[in-house]
Amino acid sequence: DTGVSQDPRHKITKRGQNVTFRCDPISEHNRLYWYRQTLGQGPEFLTYFQNEAQLEKSRLLSDRFSAERPKGSFSTLEIQRTEQGDSAMYLCASSSGGQQPYEQYFGPGTRLTVT
Amino acid sequence: KNQVEQSPQSLIILEGKNCTLQCNYTVSPFSNLRWYKQDTGRGPVSLTIMTFSENTKSNGRYTATLDADTKQSSLHITASQLSDSASYICVVSWTTSGTYKYIFGTGTRLKVLA
Repeated sequence: DTGVSQDPRHKITKRGQNVTFRCDPISEHNRLYWYRQTLGQGPEFLTYFQNEAQLEKSRLLSDRFSAERPKGSFSTLEIQRTEQGDSAMYLCASSSGGQQPYEQYFGPGTRLTVT
Repeated sequence: KNQVEQSPQSLIILEGKNCTLQCNYTVSPFSNLRWYKQDTGRGPVSLTIMTFSENTKSNGRYTATLDADTKQSSLHITASQLSDSASYICVVSWTTSGTYKYIFGTGTRLKVLA
């Protein structure tokens, strides 16, 4: 499978617990994005990596959120001390680099439910 | 403020009928506009991408139009099928300080009935 993969697909956790999601981008893509999507809304940008460098973070990404891409390949998104408001679909996308905004390929998402 | 607005919010049509979805944006400087299809519980999948100089692009039964002067785009679906039931999201990108940014619309939820 050469698409973007995310793991797990679903996660149910209790409020206050920490969760970590993983994204494996398309292998030749050097750009990786994380988005959050709530029901009935479009995806909202969280953060963006070019290779291993985290180049931008949204104000949506509070101190409880952290993302890494240590070797410029897969990425992890961790949420500490989860809150019910964190319940959403977390989408990862990747694209190739260059000067043009190459197409973003999305993974299937991780649906988080905080109880 | 850069914004993307889509209409209608939801739409129900009968199988075989055509429909048109709208996307209005206030993004500057405009780079390109994409339409995505998102099935329930899945990630978005790209349908079309258009730059400033393009005013129409087709992908099978999907045809997107772009009017960069009025900052409007439409997605026309011909001879709808049950599998077209999904959310359709308009995404506009712009550049700032040499970096591309993306803003997503809230989507139009299409339901095709047999």
